[in-house]
Amino acid sequence: ILNVEQSPQSLHVQEGDSTNFTCSFPSSNFYALHWYRWETAKSPEALFVMTLNGDEKKKGRISATLNTKEGYSYLYIKGSQPEDSATYLCAFRNAGNMLTFGGGTRLMVKP
Amino acid sequence: DSGVTQTPKHLITATGQRVTLRCSPRSGDLSVYWYQQSLDQGLQFLIQYYNGEERAKGNILERFSAQQFPDLHSELNLSSLELGDSALYFCASSPDVKGYGYTFGSGTRLTVV
Repeated sequence: ILNVEQSPQSLHVQEGDSTNFTCSFPSSNFYALHWYRWETAKSPEALFVMTLNGDEKKKGRISATLNTKEGYSYLYIKGSQPEDSATYLCAFRNAGNMLTFGGGTRLMVKP
Repeated sequence: DSGVTQTPKHLITATGQRVTLRCSPRSGDLSVYWYQQSLDQGLQFLIQYYNGEERAKGNILERFSAQQFPDLHSELNLSSLELGDSALYFCASSPDVKGYGYTFGSGTRLTVV
């Protein structure tokens, strides 16, 4: 069983705060690390796919980094807005093409 | 509209029954993935098909089966349903086997009573 863990499980921030969450995954047999944004009752929206150690990706106010040697990825949100409220999922893909999701970090941004 | 179509959107059925969930991938996508999202398990990968062939298998029960047809649509068959099978079932598609450019459908909510 592959262990993909996300922390914190939930996070409440004020509008304008910057925040970050962690995804930890097995450091062996790595193929790719996916980040998704998931709003309740909607399907997950793909944010990033990261494959190389040291990768940094950015999309607007959201960015992510990847360390495959130590098995973690950080997702950063700069200047959080209420519309950023969602669950952020990471998923680890191994060389066998199996995708394992973390439990998600639920972010709530208060106006 | 993501381009991935799942039907039906909602399904209520009794224990012991069998249901079929359908997924039409985004135009041009060859890979189809099925996921189950239940309250206590989070989002679980079930199975992947690429161009009609099974490519990866996750936490799929033996009571469940899937296939991908020549027109690339996929069906997930759930049989001998139990209360614990109640969940949201998502389908996703991607252009290739590696999974880049995932697009998710809106899901089928299955309720077993």
